[in-house]
Amino acid sequence: DQQVKQNSPSLSVQEGRISILNCDYTNSMFDYFLWYKKYPAEGPTFLISISSIKDKNEDGRFTVFLNKSAKHLSLHIVPSQPGDSAVYFCAATSTSGTYKYIFGTGTRLKVLA
Amino acid sequence: DTGVSQDPRHKITKRGQNVTFRCDPISEHNRLYWYRQTLGQGPEFLTYFQNEAQLEKSRLLSDRFSAERPKGSFSTLEIQRTEQGDSAMYLCASSLGQSLASPLHFGNGTRLTVT
Repeated sequence: DQQVKQNSPSLSVQEGRISILNCDYTNSMFDYFLWYKKYPAEGPTFLISISSIKDKNEDGRFTVFLNKSAKHLSLHIVPSQPGDSAVYFCAATSTSGTYKYIFGTGTRLKVLA
Repeated sequence: DTGVSQDPRHKITKRGQNVTFRCDPISEHNRLYWYRQTLGQGPEFLTYFQNEAQLEKSRLLSDRFSAERPKGSFSTLEIQRTEQGDSAMYLCASSLGQSLASPLHFGNGTRLTVT
């Protein structure tokens, strides 16, 4: 029962261009969504989050968009830099439930110099 | 930097042995989580604590796994009679539990190899 799905296992983008990572969820109770970045041999690092009362949240080069009707969120990175090369996970939880965070399977982003 | 600390970073053990991992969360974080990650997968929820109370445990978690957080600070995860399928990265995370959700902050994990 994969409640959070990242259907693209990998993505390659040229340096300076936009990276768009996608995530779909199935549980309509989810109301808080997060993106994490993970380098090899390290734990995931929190990037940005969004509550279901909003449809967009920005933090520097990172913007997360939420489409509740489609149960879809995306992470935009502009401009992409080689240091952004990592595996990106989306996660979701229900703040009215047990605060269990469910993660997707990840998308490996490679930014080409 | 008082981030989440996990010990050991690596553990190699023989099948059938017991292992114990420790996690020290960010101080004043009242929620503590254990996740497991295998190659090509996202972190898989195992269990979590609010203060010293274990509030949820994954149905996928066998009885060989047990976690404690005795004083609401550090936590231990024990795996008894390890099997090769237990080989994975075990991640600990903590968060400041409030009425609104807050992000999890992860440690760098303990990589377990069962031979």
